Amino acid sequence: DGGITQSPKYLFRKEGQNVTLSCEQNLNHDAMYWYRQDPGQGLRLIYYSQIVNDFQKGDIAEGYSVSREKKESFPLTVTSAQKNPTAFYLCASTIQGRGEQFFGPGTRLTVL
Amino acid sequence: GQQVMQIPQYQHVQEGEDFTTYCNSSTTLSNIQWYKQRPGGHPVFLIQLVKSGEVKKQKRLTFQFGEAKKNSSLHITATQTTDVGTYFCAEPNNNDMRFGAGTRLTVKP
Repeated sequence: DGGITQSPKYLFRKEGQNVTLSCEQNLNHDAMYWYRQDPGQGLRLIYYSQIVNDFQKGDIAEGYSVSREKKESFPLTVTSAQKNPTAFYLCASTIQGRGEQFFGPGTRLTVL
Repeated sequence: GQQVMQIPQYQHVQEGEDFTTYCNSSTTLSNIQWYKQRPGGHPVFLIQLVKSGEVKKQKRLTFQFGEAKKNSSLHITATQTTDVGTYFCAEPNNNDMRFGAGTRLTVKP
């Protein structure tokens, strides 16, 4: 069964702690993306990666970091430098050049 | 970078009424995509429009791409409660994707 998985679905952390969100895909897609969605708002791009070992900042990269060591995986770390980390985080992937994005189920992060 | 402006932000309709959401860009778009996000869910791809003046239909949904490729619309005929959710347009921007702010549709039975 092909798709994108994100874990966990809900995540709670204390303020000041770094936290890593998982994103895995078995679609053999080249490109992967991380978005942040706040209640009632659209999707804002955090980071994206077109190929392994390469990634680019999106519109709101400050306070976040990523890695792309494997084609299938694109984890996102929310660092303590992110001033308002509580949000819904969505991971997506796409075949290079095709454009249609496939989204994972998302992770709701709450920082207490 | 490029951004698509999407209106309205919210739309509340009675079941059976029609619904339309619009996306506008100040620059020519190479293509435009539409997504639907159910409450509590994740965006799901609906369709991609590429050609100037293109019109595509999916059952009660009609998608249009403007002649100048600067605007697009999604029209739902005779809404049903299953249409509830937020509809986003999105346009490719170099190697990433830029989403409109979305239109949240609620349907009263």
